[in-house]
Amino acid sequence: DAKTTQPTSMDCAEGRAANLPCNHSTISGNEYVYWYRQIHSQGPQYIIHGLKNNETNEMASLIITEDRKSSTLILPHATLRDTAVYYCIVRVAQAGTALIFGKGTTLSVSS
Amino acid sequence: KAGVTQTPRYLIKTRGQQVTLSCSPISGHRSVSWYQQTPGQGLQFLFEYFSETQRNKGNFPGRFSGRQFSNSRSEMNVSTLELGDSALYLCASSPGQGSLGYEQYFGPGTRLTVT
Repeated sequence: DAKTTQPTSMDCAEGRAANLPCNHSTISGNEYVYWYRQIHSQGPQYIIHGLKNNETNEMASLIITEDRKSSTLILPHATLRDTAVYYCIVRVAQAGTALIFGKGTTLSVSS
Repeated sequence: KAGVTQTPRYLIKTRGQQVTLSCSPISGHRSVSWYQQTPGQGLQFLFEYFSETQRNKGNFPGRFSGRQFSNSRSEMNVSTLELGDSALYLCASSPGQGSLGYEQYFGPGTRLTVT
């Protein structure tokens, strides 16, 4: 699986958009980008995933660059409850369910 | 739908003992994966079971084992506990269809403390 690079921490004001970047310059053509988050002392929560097109769901939007070497997770209106560690994971879809978690980005949302 | 449940939520054991943790996946899900989370190593994949067969295994010693039952419920066992086994053990379930992409749904975890 391709390696990802994320900033260690980010801050965001409540109500503003949170844009979390992820670099995955060695991504292969059949690898997807997944985003999970983990709120303190809870299990990780799936947010969104994509291959090459931008994706949006009720939680977030995922923007993948045309060369697929980086992506951005966007939380359009961050709330205090979005404070969590966000993990960007790149992997082949059919390779079982094993997820390789890095250190992630700690997002702190403040009022 | 009910989420993933894990029992017990908290556990204290002594070095050398063994422990069994249980996980009930979301109804209809056939794949169960286990992860260990520690402050030092972060989230690490232990193993995955699909239709009662271990499909994938992480880099953990043989003291860590698991199984899955016909109803998809899964257990993991750690024998001869060491202090370093103190961790949050997370279970995740997924449909296991293996098509376009997996979404895994995690349980709340079992906090194991080894003294």
